[in-house]
Amino acid sequence: DVKVTQSSRYLVKRTGEKVFLECVQDMDHENMFWYRQDPGLGLRLIYFSYDVKMKEKGDIPEGYSVSREKKERFSLILESASTNQTSMYLCASSFPPSEYTDTQYFGPGTRLTVL
Amino acid sequence: SQQGEEDPQALSIQEGENATMNCSYKTSINNLQWYRQNSGRGLVHLILIRSNEREKHSGRLRVTLDTSKKSSSLLITASRAADTASYFCATEGNTPLVFGKGTRLSVIA
Repeated sequence: DVKVTQSSRYLVKRTGEKVFLECVQDMDHENMFWYRQDPGLGLRLIYFSYDVKMKEKGDIPEGYSVSREKKERFSLILESASTNQTSMYLCASSFPPSEYTDTQYFGPGTRLTVL
Repeated sequence: SQQGEEDPQALSIQEGENATMNCSYKTSINNLQWYRQNSGRGLVHLILIRSNEREKHSGRLRVTLDTSKKSSSLLITASRAADTASYFCATEGNTPLVFGKGTRLSVIA
């Protein structure tokens, strides 16, 4: 079974802190994604990566950066956390689309609270 | 974005009844997927239907796709309390998957 793990289930940080959220997948997937999920807004794509050292902006990249130094690991960085970044953060991974299928496998999520 | 929109936003049914959720989207797609999310957890892939397919079954799940109307439906038959979750459609075109806002299903025992 594909396993996607995230470094923390719950995290509480203070405004202005630098926050690292880590995601690791064990299935040699090429693609990795970071989403945030907020009530009434659904899942919104922050950043994604199709290969090591590659990154692409999603729909809401402002205030975030990412790092992908190894294939299995994709980190989301909040350079200076703000209260409006309080959210559930979900990581996902997938193989490259083949025959137009891009099924994503999700981690359990990190609920981040910024005070 | 070609975001899918699920309807209804919330649905409450009795155990044993069928649950139907709908998804509408805006632009052409390669496939449409449905995911499930238990409260406070990650999403789990349920079923994928390609743009050239009209109907697909998986266990108690039945998905239909009407590309002319840009809509899909997910039917869960003989629902169980364990089906209580949020259900999301996700469309795949020339961009990464785009998720809708979800339907919250409550199955009452």
